[in-house]
Amino acid sequence: QQQVKQSPQSLIVQKGGISIINCAYENTAFDYFPWYQQFPGKGPALLIAIRPDVSEKKEGRFTISFNKSAKQFSLHIMDSQPGDSATYFCAARVSGSARQLTFGSGTQLTVLP
Amino acid sequence: NAGVTQTPKFRILKIGQSMTLQCTQDMNHNYMYWYRQDPGMGLKLIYYSVGAGITDKGEVPNGYNVSRSTTEDFPLRLELAAPSQTSVYFCASSQQGAGGANVLTFGAGSRLTVL
Repeated sequence: QQQVKQSPQSLIVQKGGISIINCAYENTAFDYFPWYQQFPGKGPALLIAIRPDVSEKKEGRFTISFNKSAKQFSLHIMDSQPGDSATYFCAARVSGSARQLTFGSGTQLTVLP
Repeated sequence: NAGVTQTPKFRILKIGQSMTLQCTQDMNHNYMYWYRQDPGMGLKLIYYSVGAGITDKGEVPNGYNVSRSTTEDFPLRLELAAPSQTSVYFCASSQQGAGGANVLTFGAGSRLTVL
């Protein structure tokens, strides 16, 4: 059972444009929502994260928007650059002692020069 | 710091063979995880450990076994390899932090093909 649904599967954006990736979840016990960035041949790395008590978090060109009532969150990449081309995974943490993450299916972003 | 180190990077197995994927971390993290990544499917949790001597099943544990005898090492054992286990495997670790932050540090991955 997929607990975190991510869309789109792939995204092509022109340099300087805005990239938007969406995720939806069902489990209201999730208490932490990170985004991971993965370059080819590498492991994922944390990009930005948010807790459900805030509606938005911004770090440089990357912003997470969080809608608790709709159980949705999204990643916005402003002024997208070719170097942003990567696979992006949203995730949600199951509350509990092990704090393991449940990942979305991933979005392959290509930013054209 | 080396972070999380996985070996081997690539391996081809025949159906029915067994092997162990090695994972070691030098950050003194108490939590460790094994994920598999399949195209279009994201990362699925196989097994995890909250400390030495403690392991538990994740979402897709069938066909795998783990052990955690030390804080540093978390090997993943594949018994009787099957084509369905063809995947990229990632080991990760994290530290339980005050306030609940859970930043996973991933290894570079191990690509396994079962023929």
